[in-house]
Amino acid sequence: EPEVTQTPSHQVTQMGQEVILRCVPISNHLYFYWYRQILGQKVEFLVSFYNNEISEKSEIFDDQFSVERPDGSNFTLKIRSTKLEDSAMYFCASSDSAQNEQFFGPGTRLTVL
Amino acid sequence: GESVGLHLPTLSVQEGDNSIINCAYSNSASDYFIWYKQESGKGPQFIIDIRSNMDKRQGQRVTVLLNKTVKHLSLQIAATQPGDSAVYFCAEGGENTGNQFYFGTGTSLTVIP
Repeated sequence: EPEVTQTPSHQVTQMGQEVILRCVPISNHLYFYWYRQILGQKVEFLVSFYNNEISEKSEIFDDQFSVERPDGSNFTLKIRSTKLEDSAMYFCASSDSAQNEQFFGPGTRLTVL
Repeated sequence: GESVGLHLPTLSVQEGDNSIINCAYSNSASDYFIWYKQESGKGPQFIIDIRSNMDKRQGQRVTVLLNKTVKHLSLQIAATQPGDSAVYFCAEGGENTGNQFYFGTGTSLTVIP
């Protein structure tokens, strides 16, 4: 069964450092998403991506964040200068249509020290 | 802004009993609703969805009910099993909400053997 994969599973970084979280969406999907979940809180939408551009983004997704699809399989989230409050689980998701179910990856736990 | 909330943060049920998890949503423009299950350390896993042109949808052991009049969504799990123990999130979204999905806080379901 196809699934979304994410690497690394856990990333520890120092405040102010750049991190890149990687995702491989399901191969025939065209819509890609990043969400984050701070420990004990709800899942929050960050950004959606379609046709090589951002289609929607939330208030959380400020200038420190960027997304990229560098090749035909990877979808990355970059945080330029991490802050303590960026510590969270980051989930990638993909779907075959904007109105259909999104399949989530297992997440990357980001810890900013 | 949109808000999706769950009535009960925790729910404990005896194995074999039926479980009902409720969710209230605030955006009447939402036309697509999903229930996700999240086990510890994993990403959200799709359980069942429903579109706004329906008021009930059944899956294997699960039923989702949608009441658009009061903007209420519920998930019913029949014959709850220990493997059903997890946090359950409702999410609202769809074309009318810019294809963003808004998640509720989550209800933690514990099944007592």
